[in-house]
Amino acid sequence: QVQLQESGPGLVKPSQTLSLTCTVSGGSISSGDYYWSWIRQPPGKGLEWIGYIYYSGSTYYNPSLKSRVTISVDTSKNQFSLKLSSVTAADTAVYYCARVRVWSGYALTDWGQGTLVTVSS
Amino acid sequence: DIVMTQTPLSSPVTLGQPASISCRSSQSLVHSDGNTYLSWLQQRPGQPPRLLIYKISNRFSGVPDRFSGSGAGTDFTLKISRVEAEDVGVYYCMQATQFPHTFGPGTKVDIK
Repeated sequence: QVQLQESGPGLVKPSQTLSLTCTVSGGSISSGDYYWSWIRQPPGKGLEWIGYIYYSGSTYYNPSLKSRVTISVDTSKNQFSLKLSSVTAADTAVYYCARVRVWSGYALTDWGQGTLVTVSS
Repeated sequence: DIVMTQTPLSSPVTLGQPASISCRSSQSLVHSDGNTYLSWLQQRPGQPPRLLIYKISNRFSGVPDRFSGSGAGTDFTLKISRVEAEDVGVYYCMQATQFPHTFGPGTKVDIK
């Protein structure tokens, strides 16, 4: 059973860069059947799709965040990462990493527990 | 972007009774490959979301058969045949037909 675990600072100052890593266990990030995604959820609000990456490095981003977002993959460590630059209080959210299964219609089949990132000075 | 709407936004239900959630998209979710990439997720309080249904009507592994999905084009429905206490939470529809992938606002299901 695949497991995903987010890690990174829980507090980021405004204008700085948010950096999170998702470690995948119980499955290979190099499997061609999956993409690897980031989703966020502001406190008390709904879900926002940030983007995803294929093991080859191909990425797809939400245009609303595209100028600030970078998703990368490290197949040797079975990890993928999120960087969000120039953060503001509006970027405060629980950030989830998730596995996207291609043949299930790009559904988000497996999720990490999420990590709360607060943007505050 | 494709806008996803859900009705109702809140649904108090009686244990053992059915519940139904509607999801509508601002554009057809039929992909050029002929598939419709509409899924349903459940988020229990304090938990990450969990996949229930993919491609309109396919139950994900381990999902009870009281959950069912239907629909086509722009109109979709999630039904719970008999609500149990563990079904309390927020339900989201999500489209993956077009970038960016988008979610509905969520429907909160609780017990009367």
